[in-house]
Amino acid sequence: QVQLQESGPGLVTPSQTLSLTCSVSSDSINSDDYYWSWIRQPPGKGLEWIGYIHNSGTTYYTPSLKSRVTMSVDTSKKQFSLNLRSVTAADTAVYYCASWEAENWFDSWGQGILVTVSS
Amino acid sequence: EIVMTQSPATLSVSPGERATLSCRASQSISSNLAWYQQKPGQAPRLLIYGASTRATGVPARFSGSGSGTEFTLTISSLQSEDFAVYSCQHYHEWPLTFGGGTKVEIK
Repeated sequence: QVQLQESGPGLVTPSQTLSLTCSVSSDSINSDDYYWSWIRQPPGKGLEWIGYIHNSGTTYYTPSLKSRVTMSVDTSKKQFSLNLRSVTAADTAVYYCASWEAENWFDSWGQGILVTVSS
Repeated sequence: EIVMTQSPATLSVSPGERATLSCRASQSISSNLAWYQQKPGQAPRLLIYGASTRATGVPARFSGSGSGTEFTLTISSLQSEDFAVYSCQHYHEWPLTFGGGTKVEIK
């Protein structure tokens, strides 16, 4: 398993961009076997997968968010990032970074970060 | 996208009893299903993958079964630390989706 840690602002103004970073504890960020994801959970609701990025730069975003999401990876810093544009209150959630190795289930998770969208 | 439906939403069980949780996929996903446990204020923890394979360190009282569209997570004898929310997730195709979760509470 990999140690993951989210960071970023806990409060974002409506219509602005939500930006989060996930720090990876090991050199696994350079491994071709690992895929790096963002998942969110609105208060009291279920989990929603946002998408993934690979160290090659390959991405996939879930269709409902695709027009607003960009993910990036910086292997030199052992980090990957999420940008979500034009946020509304509906984007208020705990955001988790997570990873899988080879198969598409999540065996490593960050602790999560609550992001509130409010003016 | 594949919709995952979990039932019941809440399950009230006494310690030591058996709990049976259901997860249904809107189309066949073969055995491409994972289960997670989530306690308040914590990240989800992987329990089961491949519909029936326990993840490392998961006690044997947790078992998963099913294939196609119908899946079950069984906790054979509930311990105090098992009261939590359980979510299923398919990985059959993109996008990956989760069920809404089943809360297992103390009866």
